[in-house]
Amino acid sequence: DADVTQTPRNRITKTGKRIMLECSQTKGHDRMYWYRQDPGLGLRLIYYSFDVKDINKGEISDGYSVSRQAQAKFSLSLESAIPNQTALYFCATSDSPREEQYFGPGTRLTVT
Amino acid sequence: GENVEQHPSTLSVQEGDSAVIKCTYSDSASNYFPWYKQELGKRPQLIIDIRSNVGEKKDQRIAVTLNKTAKHFSLHITETQPEDSAVYFCAAENSGYSTLTFGKGTMLLVSP
Repeated sequence: DADVTQTPRNRITKTGKRIMLECSQTKGHDRMYWYRQDPGLGLRLIYYSFDVKDINKGEISDGYSVSRQAQAKFSLSLESAIPNQTALYFCATSDSPREEQYFGPGTRLTVT
Repeated sequence: GENVEQHPSTLSVQEGDSAVIKCTYSDSASNYFPWYKQELGKRPQLIIDIRSNVGEKKDQRIAVTLNKTAKHFSLHITETQPEDSAVYFCAAENSGYSTLTFGKGTMLLVSP
């Protein structure tokens, strides 16, 4: 489980603030993903990256941006947080599209 | 893009009973269908997956069936135990993007 880590684990911030969520993995995978989980809505893909130079928008990318600093690091930013971005955020990594995605422990973000 | 529908949203069974969760998908080119289990407060973890070259796959008390013609797949858990209580997510490959689209989840409660 320590193969994928996320920081911070919990964060409370105010509307309009910029916030960054960080993800690191030691599995050596090229593919990394950011998901958002809301009750009753499942896991929705925000952004994904297949290597350091390849970043793609997912189904709900509005209001978010990402940075792939290295193969092992993928950060998610909220440029100006709003209350409806309150959610549980998961980072994940995989070796190929048809193999297991390994999830981090999640970051619980509250925007007041 | 892919659309995945999952039913039921909640399922309560008695210990020892069987549980079945069903999913449908829209992308006829999808060839990979994983199932993830998320225990309360934990990260999602892969429990079983199936690829389109097989119709059924079993792993101890868990089985998954796939009907590509009808575009649906199901998770079957036999002899349920209290530790099976969790949220289960189905997912389908989004073939145009090499990503996964997840269903909204099923909360399974197994009562002793």
